[in-house]
Amino acid sequence: GAGVSQSPSNKVTEKGKDVELRCDPISGHTALYWYRQSLGQGLEFLIYFQGNSAPDKSGLPSDRFSAERTGGSVSTLTIQRTQQEDSAVYLCASSLPGLAGAGELFFGEGSRLTVL
Amino acid sequence: AQSVAQPEDQVNVAEGNPLTVKCTYSVSGNPYLFWYVQYPNRGLQFLLKYITGDNLVKGSYGFEAEFNKSQTSFHLKKPSALVSDSALYFCAVSPQRTNAGKSTFGDGTTLTVKP
Repeated sequence: GAGVSQSPSNKVTEKGKDVELRCDPISGHTALYWYRQSLGQGLEFLIYFQGNSAPDKSGLPSDRFSAERTGGSVSTLTIQRTQQEDSAVYLCASSLPGLAGAGELFFGEGSRLTVL
Repeated sequence: AQSVAQPEDQVNVAEGNPLTVKCTYSVSGNPYLFWYVQYPNRGLQFLLKYITGDNLVKGSYGFEAEFNKSQTSFHLKKPSALVSDSALYFCAVSPQRTNAGKSTFGDGTTLTVKP
């Protein structure tokens, strides 16, 4: 498709289980971001990938969170031993490289995670 | 560290009236500023951005925003509101030339336009 694709759109899991969320960015977008949107709050930056550079993990809230990006395209966000406070909508975004695309993020529809 | 404040959780306007959604920011150096909109059950969509140049920036759907450096503000405006403009609006700021996408977002303002 033409847009950022995320799956699953909804995920309900039990506390303590691991979950994987997938993001397929727009073709040609070298930058990929993960954000988290909790109920009634703004977006919280989690992690950023740019090409083959080392990812910026400065926003990951704990070591239970990790992400990888394979082949410069698809990314997977993994949350281990989920906790109830992890419940949120996880948003993926991609952008064009360079100043022309600076900051203009194209967001997916998000993966809503509910931890029971 | 940068921050964004959207002082109003809710803005209500009548259709046809002008609307303003407020945003102030704090950042080291020159800012990149953005507005995004989130319609119900939809993902965020980019509306407009200020990088450099004219302080008045025009974006999608007839929206515009004015960068005011002295007041550190970037208010979103539209001359005549439509019911279809009802949505959640986010302001965002980034100080980094090389990673403008690593933005700090405000908590959002819900705009309701009544017929």
